[in-house]
Amino acid sequence: AQSVAQPEDQVNVAEGNPLTVKCTYSVSGNPYLFWYVQYPNRGLQFLLKYITGDNLVKGSYGFEAEFNKSQTSFHLKKPSALVSDSALYFCAVRDGGNMLTFGGGTRLMVKP
Amino acid sequence: GAVVSQHPSRVICKSGTSVKIECRSLDFQATTMFWYRQFPKKSLMLMATSNEGSKATYEQGVEKDKFLINHASLTLSTLTVTSAHPEDSSFYICSARGDSSSNQPQHFGDGTRLSIL
Repeated sequence: AQSVAQPEDQVNVAEGNPLTVKCTYSVSGNPYLFWYVQYPNRGLQFLLKYITGDNLVKGSYGFEAEFNKSQTSFHLKKPSALVSDSALYFCAVRDGGNMLTFGGGTRLMVKP
Repeated sequence: GAVVSQHPSRVICKSGTSVKIECRSLDFQATTMFWYRQFPKKSLMLMATSNEGSKATYEQGVEKDKFLINHASLTLSTLTVTSAHPEDSSFYICSARGDSSSNQPQHFGDGTRLSIL
């Protein structure tokens, strides 16, 4: 069975500082990894994905994520946080089947 | 990017009412659609997966007679909450995928907040 862990319920960062939202996964085959963002009372917006290739994946709104196979991690990063980045972030994994498994979510709070 | 439209965005109704939620893929054909339920400050819980023209596959613990799913076309899936009760109040989100390849992301609707009085 596949699973995703987001160890932090909330991440606080000051505007302009770099941010990292952590994600680790467990999957039997090759992982297909995704990050989504959710704003209040909205659905999920796709940010980026890792399938194969470069371990550093660049996505929307200046976000990037680094795939680390040995650590089974796929942390989301951004060099300089904006107040408007404050939202709920979900990491997700798919193992080649139909099922997308989500982590529990991490609330990012960026303070001015 | 791909757009998924979900309607209505909010429903408030009396206990015992049946509520239908529509999910449409606007610019692609959705071979597979998914219905999720999200509790406050929680992650998404997959309720069911539907493929166009076939019966939905429900996750364990989800009552198929309670949550009726229809995926009659490649652009429309509906979720009907039958005889809704206060415990059915939640945020329901649909998503769709146009390609059966696992490397394609799912695209999500904006969700429906259902409040049963």
